[in-house]
Amino acid sequence: EDKVVQSPLSLVVHEGDTVTLNCSYEVTNFRSLLWYKQEKKAPTFLFMLTSSGIEKKSGRLSSILDKKELFSILNITATQTGDSAVYLCVFYGGSQGNLIFGKGTKLSVKP
Amino acid sequence: DGGITQSPKYLFRKEGQNVTLSCEQNLNHDAMYWYRQDPGQGLRLIYYSQIVNDFQKGDIAEGYSVSREKKESFPLTVTSAQKNPTAFYLCASTNRRGARTEAFFGQGTRLTVV
Repeated sequence: EDKVVQSPLSLVVHEGDTVTLNCSYEVTNFRSLLWYKQEKKAPTFLFMLTSSGIEKKSGRLSSILDKKELFSILNITATQTGDSAVYLCVFYGGSQGNLIFGKGTKLSVKP
Repeated sequence: DGGITQSPKYLFRKEGQNVTLSCEQNLNHDAMYWYRQDPGQGLRLIYYSQIVNDFQKGDIAEGYSVSREKKESFPLTVTSAQKNPTAFYLCASTNRRGARTEAFFGQGTRLTVV
């Protein structure tokens, strides 16, 4: 059975801290891995990763995929209160050729 | 601009009523999905459709029904058989360009049973 496990499930940090969010997976027929940020409504796209070892960066956020060890991490440096959200790790692939979601990591950044 | 439109944003339903949530996309995506989100829980798959006139049950399909008569549209009906329908519902669609896949989401519909 395809599954995606995110850790931690929730995290509280102070502004300026650096955080690392983890996503491990057991998915057949891997196509791509997507990271999303969800605040109150629809998730907003952060990164798409298809190749191992290539870091994607956008401002203070970065992500990398390790297809050998079956995990991905999302790093946020110099966190701000606006980073408070649920971060979703999503795979496209699986036996059904489908989107497979992790449960998300709820990040709270305190002033 | 291309995107996914869900309507309505907020929906109130009396117990025992069926309601239909709309999801329309103009992205020319083949695959569309419906998810349900409850407080403190992840997104759970209700139904998905990889192609017109075909759809598959997800993890929590009981009490829901869908149709996919057009590529652009994937409406979800919450039937009276769904015992706890109050939740946030998200529609998504995906394209596939070789190995690259992007998923797009609608803005969601919050359904409340009164």
